[in-house]
Amino acid sequence: NAGVTQTPKFQVLKTGQSMTLQCAQDMNHNSMYWYRQDPGMGLRLIYYSASEGTTDKGEVPNGYNVSRLNKREFSLRLESAAPSQTSVYFCASSEARGISGYTFGSGTRLTVV
Amino acid sequence: SQQGEEDPQALSIQEGENATMNCSYKTSINNLQWYRQNSGRGLVHLILIRSNEREKHSGRLRVTLDTSKKSSSLLITASRAADTASYFCATGGSNSGNTPLVFGKGTRLSVIA
Repeated sequence: NAGVTQTPKFQVLKTGQSMTLQCAQDMNHNSMYWYRQDPGMGLRLIYYSASEGTTDKGEVPNGYNVSRLNKREFSLRLESAAPSQTSVYFCASSEARGISGYTFGSGTRLTVV
Repeated sequence: SQQGEEDPQALSIQEGENATMNCSYKTSINNLQWYRQNSGRGLVHLILIRSNEREKHSGRLRVTLDTSKKSSSLLITASRAADTASYFCATGGSNSGNTPLVFGKGTRLSVIA
């Protein structure tokens, strides 16, 4: 099925550990995004990639890095996880940044203990 | 920071009734979008309305946009238990259309059978 695939679906990390969240889309979309969702906070943008080869910071980029590996894949890395990064992470993609609908993945539920 | 603010935060109605959710935003926009999120799932794009449009329909959904008041409403007619979900408005684009979507905190809709 066409869409956005995120892995893993669940992850528990210890404080200070690192990990990479993977995201891939098969719709030939130009733009990709990473959001985090916390209770009562809605979705907040971490990083985005307007097109292959470019990345930009969003509202809450501290503690994260991203890589746009190719047009299909956009990964999010936590170098040294902190409890404040406990959240649900969503990857999304779209034809164009703000003027078309986004397709979301099913999310990664991350707990940092 | 959130651009859109949904109102009410939570809404409970009987099956068959209409549900109305509102969204207010602060700055000029290129378009406004509505998304649905079922519990534990990713967001699903419902409808996009451009800044030069006043009303748009899609099945049982009706969206209005008033740019002078910086507000939008989502009406779901003849609601069903399956409409139970959180609904988010998202504003995008600014005038140039090159900024990522900013999401509100959402309205939790419960439709009681």
